[in-house]
Amino acid sequence: EIVLTQSPGTLSLSPGERAALSCRASQTFTSSSLAWFQQRPGQPPRLLIYDTSIRATGIPDRFSGSGSGTDFTLTITRLEPEDFAVYYCQQYQSSPRTFGGGTKVEIK
Amino acid sequence: QLQLHESGPGLVKPSETLSLNCTVSGGSIRSRSDYWGWIRQTPGKGLEWIATIYYTGSSYYNPSLESRVTISVDTSKNQFYLKLRSVTAADTAIYYCARDHGPVRFMDVWGQGTTVTVSS
Repeated sequence: EIVLTQSPGTLSLSPGERAALSCRASQTFTSSSLAWFQQRPGQPPRLLIYDTSIRATGIPDRFSGSGSGTDFTLTITRLEPEDFAVYYCQQYQSSPRTFGGGTKVEIK
Repeated sequence: QLQLHESGPGLVKPSETLSLNCTVSGGSIRSRSDYWGWIRQTPGKGLEWIATIYYTGSSYYNPSLESRVTISVDTSKNQFYLKLRSVTAADTAIYYCARDHGPVRFMDVWGQGTTVTVSS
């Protein structure tokens, strides 16, 4: 199974700053089969990005995804107050689908 | 607007069977483009995909749980179900149902989740 390692574990930033979250896979991807989710406290995960770089419906353009091979990045330009949350990557390159351990973006 | 809602007992005894329902509203479970899945979340293991089903009954399981899990669907009720047998404290988690785009795709609409505790 593919293991996804997210870093950093916690990112302390101020509103308006830029966040870059990393997701590294234990195997090389032959396709763009990676998604990103946001989870706020007490809420289910919310799909942000799929197929590495496609924003889901209703997701603001300050969220963007990139990467290939084993290294993927979620970038949030100009953090808004509602963006402080936990972010997870998920691969669907192969079964079983797996999730990363998450990166918490907290207010500095 | 598609919505999913989980229901079931919040407390299950060790060695017993955990049974959960997911009701789909605002759309048909018979949609040819959609699959339906279960995911759980624990503080220790994080998010874990459990199983996925198509309205025809074709099902897909995480090998780590496959020996204990059954996913099923009732199209007449617009519901699908999860059964997890021989539970232990390690199965204590928040269980989510979700619309899935396929057994090797992503989930895009999630229920609010239901907390299940395994304890005597």
